[in-house]
Amino acid sequence: QSALTQPPSASGSPGQSVTISCTGTSSDVGGYNFVSWYQQHPGKIPKLMIYEVTKRPSGVPDRFSGSKSGNTASLTVSGLQAEDEADYYCSSYAGSDTFVFGTGTKVTVL
Amino acid sequence: QLQLQESGPGLVKPSETLSLTCTVSGDSISNSIYYWGWIRQPPGKGLEWIGSVSYRGSAFFNPSLGSRLSISVDTSKNQFSLRLSSVTAADTAVYYCARYVRFSDWFGPWGQGTLVLVSS
Repeated sequence: QSALTQPPSASGSPGQSVTISCTGTSSDVGGYNFVSWYQQHPGKIPKLMIYEVTKRPSGVPDRFSGSKSGNTASLTVSGLQAEDEADYYCSSYAGSDTFVFGTGTKVTVL
Repeated sequence: QLQLQESGPGLVKPSETLSLTCTVSGDSISNSIYYWGWIRQPPGKGLEWIGSVSYRGSAFFNPSLGSRLSISVDTSKNQFSLRLSSVTAADTAVYYCARYVRFSDWFGPWGQGTLVLVSS
């Protein structure tokens, strides 16, 4: 079971959009519509931002959106705000009640 | 409101066994639509799924942790526990417990996390 691959960093200016990719295999991302995304600020616990590829939990701004194509999922943050600066992790169901996280992406708001 | 809290030693010697317990409050752990999971995060690094357990005691593990790992549940105490044997410095991490929502496959809420340092 290998970690899902994410770019180490991404950045954008306030108001711009940033998209983070999350690449897995047909055994995880590509095989199930159970990709979720977590935001983690320094020293804080992860916060669920997206689940089931595209769904947003109550309270998450609609600036956050998710998508998937084949073995790659993506998180897009539109209208970047200073508070969006954080680490983002994707995750996926990987079959047989196992689970895998991505390597993480640090988003910087310029 | 559901809350989870990790407890256990913050320092473990190399080759010994790391033991942590997660106490769930605000709801019963005995619900078949949830599993109860452990995730860890080495300092400055990413998240790693360790494993999950059902309230009936069925456990599922990260294959990379192999036979060192055991996860159990105690429904009478509304707790679940992690045991990781033969630890090394590579097992130093913040350990989180969290509820796993089955059929939707996401974790939440999370405990606050507990730092476990493996050192002699």
